[in-house]
Amino acid sequence: DTGVSQDPRHKITKRGQNVTFRCDPISEHNRLYWYRQTLGQGPEFLTYFQNEAQLEKSRLLSDRFSAERPKGSFSTLEIQRTEQGDSAMYLCASSGQGHQETQYFGPGTRLLVL
Amino acid sequence: GNSVTQMEGPVTLSEEAFLTINCTYTATGYPSLFWYVQYPGEGLQLLLKATKADDKGSNKGFEATYRKETTSFHLEKGSVQVSDSAVYFCALLPFSGGYNKLIFGAGTRLAVHP
Repeated sequence: DTGVSQDPRHKITKRGQNVTFRCDPISEHNRLYWYRQTLGQGPEFLTYFQNEAQLEKSRLLSDRFSAERPKGSFSTLEIQRTEQGDSAMYLCASSGQGHQETQYFGPGTRLLVL
Repeated sequence: GNSVTQMEGPVTLSEEAFLTINCTYTATGYPSLFWYVQYPGEGLQLLLKATKADDKGSNKGFEATYRKETTSFHLEKGSVQVSDSAVYFCALLPFSGGYNKLIFGAGTRLAVHP
């Protein structure tokens, strides 16, 4: 069990650029989650996959955000035309399929939009 | 709706002092409850959990008891160490088929001084 990994760990970009983050879940987990955490706050749910199907999206996920999990393994989160308000820590978590399974988090990708 | 309220920080203690971080929740049904810890610059690590009323979660000297009558899940530790300095998040996972998003409190920063 190598845990959840995320890449990159840090990203600095200019306003208007596109960025893409990657998450590799724990290998036997078929559920994958993205959360966003702004400074001084708890994480907020963005979206959730079961295998390759995206089953829920938060209203926080504007049209500029898109997430995929094409083969039910790793996932990508893309932000188009970044804005300064997108600056945050983006956290990925994974869990097993059972009811109320524990979610295990990766180290996060910290995004700074200048 | 579902929500989590934590005591505001920062909490500043001397090494070996007793720690309590209050957490109360609002939820329908019987959620699972969690404490996660976040060290500087890192993602969230699961500290402990409880899945039903009167369960006690424990790990690394930390404990929390699921109290349905007071809708609380307070975190305690008998003797804190400098290495416990971190931000602590209380979270709930609602009890509802297919509803998998964690609801987090705002976090409580703990600073332990030698």
